[in-house]
Amino acid sequence: DTGVSQDPRHKITKRGQNVTFRCDPISEHNRLYWYRQTLGQGPEFLTYFQNEAQLEKSRLLSDRFSAERPKGSFSTLEIQRTEQGDSAMYLCASSGLGADQPQHFGDGTRLSIL
Amino acid sequence: QKEVEQNSGPLSVPEGAIASLNCTYSDRVSQSFFWYRQYSGKSPELIMSIYSNGDKEDGRFTAQLNKASQYVSLLIRDSQPSDSATYLCAVKGITSGSARQLTFGSGTQLTVLP
Repeated sequence: DTGVSQDPRHKITKRGQNVTFRCDPISEHNRLYWYRQTLGQGPEFLTYFQNEAQLEKSRLLSDRFSAERPKGSFSTLEIQRTEQGDSAMYLCASSGLGADQPQHFGDGTRLSIL
Repeated sequence: QKEVEQNSGPLSVPEGAIASLNCTYSDRVSQSFFWYRQYSGKSPELIMSIYSNGDKEDGRFTAQLNKASQYVSLLIRDSQPSDSATYLCAVKGITSGSARQLTFGSGTQLTVLP
């Protein structure tokens, strides 16, 4: 069990640029989640996949955000036309299929918008 | 009213003491409850899950759940300086969200003084 892996760990970009993050879940986990965390706050849910299907999207996820999980394994989160307010830690988590399966988080990608 | 509320702290306890962390949630239908520990600059790490009323013990940690009062707590016995972190309460199944997403409190910052 290698845990949830996220890449890159840090991303610094200029406002208006596009960025893409990658998440590799724990291999046997069917469910994958994206959260966003800002300083002093708990993580906020963005979206969730079961296998390759994106089943839930938060109202927080504006149309500049898109997430994919094309083969039901790794996932990508893309932010287009980044804004200052997008600066945050982007966390990926995965879990098994059971109703009470806990979510395990990766180390996150810290995004800084200049 | 926030859906998941925690005292932000900071909470300071001397080494060897019991640290008590509290969390209330707004939605009676919530069924799954989790405590995560987050060190500064790191991702949340699952330390306890609890699904039924009563106490659940794991080593130095005890989670307590009272669904009638919509209250969940975490006790850390024999606190160590290495326990100094932010503790996040997370609830699954808040009605305003999906059945799968976690809704987090803002976290309680704990400092264990040597």
